[in-house]
Amino acid sequence: EDQVTQSPEALRLQEGESSSLNCSYTVSGLRGLFWYRQDPGKGPEFLFTLYSAGEEKEKERLKATLTKKESFLHITAPKPEDSATYLCAVVYRGSQGNLIFGKGTKLSVKP
Amino acid sequence: DSGVTQTPKHLITATGQRVTLRCSPRSGDLSVYWYQQSLDQGLQFLIQYYNGEERAKGNILERFSAQQFPDLHSELNLSSLELGDSALYFCASSVDRGAYGYTFGSGTRLTVV
Repeated sequence: EDQVTQSPEALRLQEGESSSLNCSYTVSGLRGLFWYRQDPGKGPEFLFTLYSAGEEKEKERLKATLTKKESFLHITAPKPEDSATYLCAVVYRGSQGNLIFGKGTKLSVKP
Repeated sequence: DSGVTQTPKHLITATGQRVTLRCSPRSGDLSVYWYQQSLDQGLQFLIQYYNGEERAKGNILERFSAQQFPDLHSELNLSSLELGDSALYFCASSVDRGAYGYTFGSGTRLTVV
């Protein structure tokens, strides 16, 4: 049973077309939810950490939000350079400080 | 450059062989984590070390082992390699035990032929 589920698996957008990526989790005792960006053949790059429901973080065209069961990564007016795989991960009471990742959403933004 | 250094970047080897992947954590970071990323499985946690001691194990095969040395660099040893071991192997580091997230290296791409 997956503890972290991301949807959609892939998303194609036109430049400027805003959308949201979803990350739902079933763990208890959440200690933190993390968003990473990964470019092909590269290591994941840290974007945000969220710790409690209602928390929001923003960075350029990206905004992450957190509820008790899921997180959204909102992308406003995306550009082609936003194309990447976006990974969600959680640390929870039973994970011993280790990040448990979802399988990611592959985002393609066409000019 | 994330500050986490992994070598080599690419490795091609034959089935049955043994390889060693190396990771130098970011300066000041005490924890090192190893992850495997394959196309169908996503990022899978393998093992964690904190200041030289093994702290947690994930989905690590018995054919795989790791250690963290006194200078805090870490090595992941993969033996009796199989075709299915072909993957990207990432090392990450953090100053604590990970509750605040961690920094990844650029990975080692292992191809077993």
